[in-house]
Amino acid sequence: AQSVTQLDSQVPVFEEAPVELRCNYSSSVSVYLFWYVQYPNQGLQLLLKYLSGSTLVKGINGFEAEFNKSQTSFHLRKPSVHISDTAEYFCAVRPISGGYQKVTFGTGTKLQVIP
Amino acid sequence: ETGVTQSPTHLIKTRGQQVTLRCSSQSGHNTVSWYQQALGQGPQFIFQYYREEENGRGNFPPRFSGLQFPNYSSELNVNALELDDSALYLCASSSFSGVAGELFFGEGSRLTVL
Repeated sequence: AQSVTQLDSQVPVFEEAPVELRCNYSSSVSVYLFWYVQYPNQGLQLLLKYLSGSTLVKGINGFEAEFNKSQTSFHLRKPSVHISDTAEYFCAVRPISGGYQKVTFGTGTKLQVIP
Repeated sequence: ETGVTQSPTHLIKTRGQQVTLRCSSQSGHNTVSWYQQALGQGPQFIFQYYREEENGRGNFPPRFSGLQFPNYSSELNVNALELDDSALYLCASSSFSGVAGELFFGEGSRLTVL
C-alpha cells in the first residue's frame, strides 16, 4: 500500500516570493510521482511527473520538483509565485507495476498568494 | 481534442436514494477511473474500468458500482446514499498504453446528500 503526506495544509506567500510545498510518501514498491493542481470549482490538472531519470523535474507554469529517494520526498518549488498560482496542490503516487492505475493522493496544500 | 466531461455538475439527494453520475472520456482514451473527494481531502480511488470491465477497486462498499460503455464513456452508481457520500466525484480518463499513470480529470460532479 502507498501513502502520501503533505504536512502543510495551507501556505501563504507574498507575490514574487519563492515557495516550496512539501510531500513525503511511503511505499513498499517503486512508484511514479506526480503533482496536480486544482483551481476553485475545477478538476485536477497535471503539473509535473517523475517517472525515471533526472531527479529534477520541470513542469508547467514554472514549477519544478525534486525526487529524493533516500528521504522519500518529492517537494514542489517555484522561484517566484504569481497571484494566478493561488490554488490547491496535490502530491500523488502510483505503483510502477500493477494491472491498474490506482493513484494515491495526499490531502492537499492550499497555496495562497498575497498581493 | 475533447476533454473529459462530467454530468451533472451539481445535484442534491436525500439519504437512501440512488444516484447516477456520467463521464465522457477524452478522445483516444480507453480507461476510466472514478475518485471521491470529500471536503478538505484529497481524491480517493473508487474503481477503474478498462475494456468495459472493472479492473481495480479501492476501499469502497459494493453499493458503489459502475459501467463502461463501448465508446469508453462511464457511469458511477451509488445506491442507498448516506450523508458521508456528500463529496465531489471526479472522473479521470487515461490510455492504458499511454504515459504511465497520467490521468486527465473532468471538473467533477458535486453531490450533496441531505
